[in-house]
Amino acid sequence: GNSVTQMEGPVTLSEEAFLTINCTYTATGYPSLFWYVQYPGEGLQLLLKATKADDKGSNKGFEATYRKETTSFHLEKGSVQVSDSAVYFCALHSSGGYNKLIFGAGTRLAVHP
Amino acid sequence: GAVVSQHPSRVICKSGTSVKIECRSLDFQATTMFWYRQFPKKSLMLMATSNEGSKATYEQGVEKDKFLINHASLTLSTLTVTSAHPEDSSFYICSARDRLAGGNTDTQYFGPGTRLTVL
Repeated sequence: GNSVTQMEGPVTLSEEAFLTINCTYTATGYPSLFWYVQYPGEGLQLLLKATKADDKGSNKGFEATYRKETTSFHLEKGSVQVSDSAVYFCALHSSGGYNKLIFGAGTRLAVHP
Repeated sequence: GAVVSQHPSRVICKSGTSVKIECRSLDFQATTMFWYRQFPKKSLMLMATSNEGSKATYEQGVEKDKFLINHASLTLSTLTVTSAHPEDSSFYICSARDRLAGGNTDTQYFGPGTRLTVL
């Protein structure tokens, strides 16, 4: 079945460091891929998405490229800030059915000054 | 932006009692709402899809008689955990899809979650 695997956290970085959070997926067909972010005490927010192979999603300095050949959608940011501290979820939209999202386990990012 | 609220944010109850969690879309109408459960350090697991005015669709392995879902209006869905047991302790999160968004999956807006602890 469809599934999402993302790197375990927590990831601890200093401010202005480069961030990569790995995400790989297993799916039939051609799923859409998403990154959601959950700041402390808040709900999940859509960070970025890509709907087909080689698409790059970007938002707030974060980027992720839909790589069909490696079934990956790694999240990157060139220079993180303390305000980026949150939990990041990779997700895919399973084709067929009713817009069902399948999430990875989440990766906690802590950025220190 | 669209806001989804959940109430309560945190609840502690005794084993055997029932607990109701509300999910509201505050500034948009939601024909479809989703209920998720999140275990510590685990994925969000979809429990059921709630459609306004009709019965909820439950995922495999989720007991519909234990987790009662009612979506009585375009802005409110409720999840009732009946005869709660300690193993039901978890973080419950809802999301709502904007009625006007059509088929766009990314227009799911998530609530802040409800922490349930069953003693």
